[in-house]
Amino acid sequence: GDSVTQMEGPVTLSEEAFLTINCTYTATGYPSLFWYVQYPGEGLQLLLKATKADDKGSNKGFEATYRKETTSFHLEKGSVQVSDSAVYFCALSEYNTDKLIFGTGTRLQVFP
Amino acid sequence: KAGVTQTPRYLIKTRGQQVTLSCSPISGHRSVSWYQQTPGQGLQFLFEYFSETQRNKGNFPGRFSGRQFSNSRSEMNVSTLELGDSALYLCASSVDREGTGELFFGEGSRLTVL
Repeated sequence: GDSVTQMEGPVTLSEEAFLTINCTYTATGYPSLFWYVQYPGEGLQLLLKATKADDKGSNKGFEATYRKETTSFHLEKGSVQVSDSAVYFCALSEYNTDKLIFGTGTRLQVFP
Repeated sequence: KAGVTQTPRYLIKTRGQQVTLSCSPISGHRSVSWYQQTPGQGLQFLFEYFSETQRNKGNFPGRFSGRQFSNSRSEMNVSTLELGDSALYLCASSVDREGTGELFFGEGSRLTVL
């Protein structure tokens, strides 16, 4: 079945460092891809999405590009802030469904 | 605009009991999904409802059931609780008739089974 694999955490960075969190997927069809974020003490929030190959999702300085050839959707940010400390989840959904398949989550810790 | 509201936020049950969790979606949202979050298994899909109809179901035993009412509010029920059912149960809603995966999540109901 469909699955999502993302890098183990925690990822520990200093403020203003460059961030990459790797995510790869396995899917039989043409899924939509997402990054959700869970800040401490809060619920999951959609960070960005991409619905087809070569689409780039972006929000709050974060970016991810849907790469069909490498089945990847890596999350990047050029300069992280302490407020970006959270758990990041990569996910996919099949066409016309709200059924999300999540990766295991990657905890990001940013220190001043 | 109020977000997704889940009740109760915390509850403790013992093995063999049953539990009902409630979810009120964002006003105007007609699709509701449920997820289980545990440290070991991560986030796993339980069910998805649209207009009172179950649109999709995850790989959970029949002890897990759900329903959606005409006002889009949803409940999930777990019968004959087991220790492994201890988890954070998340409800999410979306506005689109065709599922898009763009979900708005509640803060969850944390269930502890003793």
